[in-house]
Amino acid sequence: DQQVKQNSPSLSVQEGRISILNCDYTNSMFDYFLWYKKYPAEGPTFLISISSIKDKNEDGRFTVFLNKSAKHLSLHIVPSQPGDSAVYFCAASANTGKLIFGQGTTLQVKP
Amino acid sequence: DVKVTQSSRYLVKRTGEKVFLECVQDMDHENMFWYRQDPGLGLRLIYFSYDVKMKEKGDIPEGYSVSREKKERFSLILESASTNQTSMYLCASSPRGQVGVTEAFFGQGTRLTVV
Repeated sequence: DQQVKQNSPSLSVQEGRISILNCDYTNSMFDYFLWYKKYPAEGPTFLISISSIKDKNEDGRFTVFLNKSAKHLSLHIVPSQPGDSAVYFCAASANTGKLIFGQGTTLQVKP
Repeated sequence: DVKVTQSSRYLVKRTGEKVFLECVQDMDHENMFWYRQDPGLGLRLIYFSYDVKMKEKGDIPEGYSVSREKKERFSLILESASTNQTSMYLCASSPRGQVGVTEAFFGQGTRLTVV
């Protein structure tokens, strides 16, 4: 059973506009959530995280929103740039230390 | 800079072979992970180790085993490789404590093809 779900396999956005990537989870024990970015032939790299005690975390162009009651989080990228084109993975962690990932969303930012 | 190094970028092995994938990290991290990445399925956790000689099964441990004899090294073993184990394998490490407070760092990945 997939505990972390990214239901949109792909997203295409115009340069300069907002990209919104969504993620849902089922395990209420998760208390940290992370977003990773992955380019082809490279390992994922950390982008931004949020603790379950917060509902928003911002880092430059990237903002993550957490809605605990809906078990939903989203990553907003504003403004989107062509270099943001990559696969984005949502991940969640409980106090066991395990890190569980979603299926990924491929973002394409068109010039 | 944290470095997680996987011994091979590309591997081709025959069905039934015993395969070793090696991962080394240089930041004295307690936690190490093995994932596989498949299209449409994302990154799935195979095994997790939180200390030397300590391991925990992930979501898809069948057909795999692991070894962590030294803190810096985490090996993934395919006891008898099968074609459905053709995949991208990713190793990661993180410091002790809650993942999320501190991030996990990934290696470059090993593309394994079983023929």
